[in-house]
Amino acid sequence: GAVVSQHPSRVICKSGTSVKIECRSLDFQATTMFWYRQFPKKSLMLMATSNEGSKATYEQGVEKDKFLINHASLTLSTLTVTSAHPEDSSFYICSAAEAGRNTGELFFGEGSRLTVL
Amino acid sequence: RKEVEQDPGPFNVPEGATVAFNCTYSNSASQSFFWYRQDCRKEPKLLMSVYSSGNEDGRFTAQLNRASQYISLLIRDSKLSDSATYLCVVTLSGGYQKVTFGTGTKLQVIP
Repeated sequence: GAVVSQHPSRVICKSGTSVKIECRSLDFQATTMFWYRQFPKKSLMLMATSNEGSKATYEQGVEKDKFLINHASLTLSTLTVTSAHPEDSSFYICSAAEAGRNTGELFFGEGSRLTVL
Repeated sequence: RKEVEQDPGPFNVPEGATVAFNCTYSNSASQSFFWYRQDCRKEPKLLMSVYSSGNEDGRFTAQLNRASQYISLLIRDSKLSDSATYLCVVTLSGGYQKVTFGTGTKLQVIP
């Protein structure tokens, strides 16, 4: 099946620093990628939809200046958590839909666990 | 009302039991429906799509009831390895622009 790689899987940073998380589709092209956040024992919360070559679409309540998303190629989207604070600590997951296939299936990255001290 | 609602469980069932989960959705324009499985601290993985006519994959059966706006997942002959959280996923307009996850139902199969 299609593979989505997410990096880093774990990151610990100091408050005030910025952290970049990469999401790559390894064997397919993804015109659309999605970024989610998951709190412990909670479901996935869609943060934004990342469209290749255009600005991301953010969900209500998600600060676009706080969570910068770049989707510069058909295989790579990045999420940058700027000026991270302890409340940003969470599990961030990306997913991608294969361009040209309308099965509705999403392929997920392994997730990135962010801890802000 | 939440867009997609699931009973969070946990459902504790013995091996070999049959267990069913329901998921309700609020938007009648919803087009595509899926069940995903998520193991603890892992990413979700597609279990099966849900079609209007219902579909079966081995021990798993999914049903869609558009009139009542719910989907269901039936697991027969539960295995220990079925223990996981099952997420109901609903998309609008058959595309990817609006994907909503249910809160998930936790299943624990006990020996």
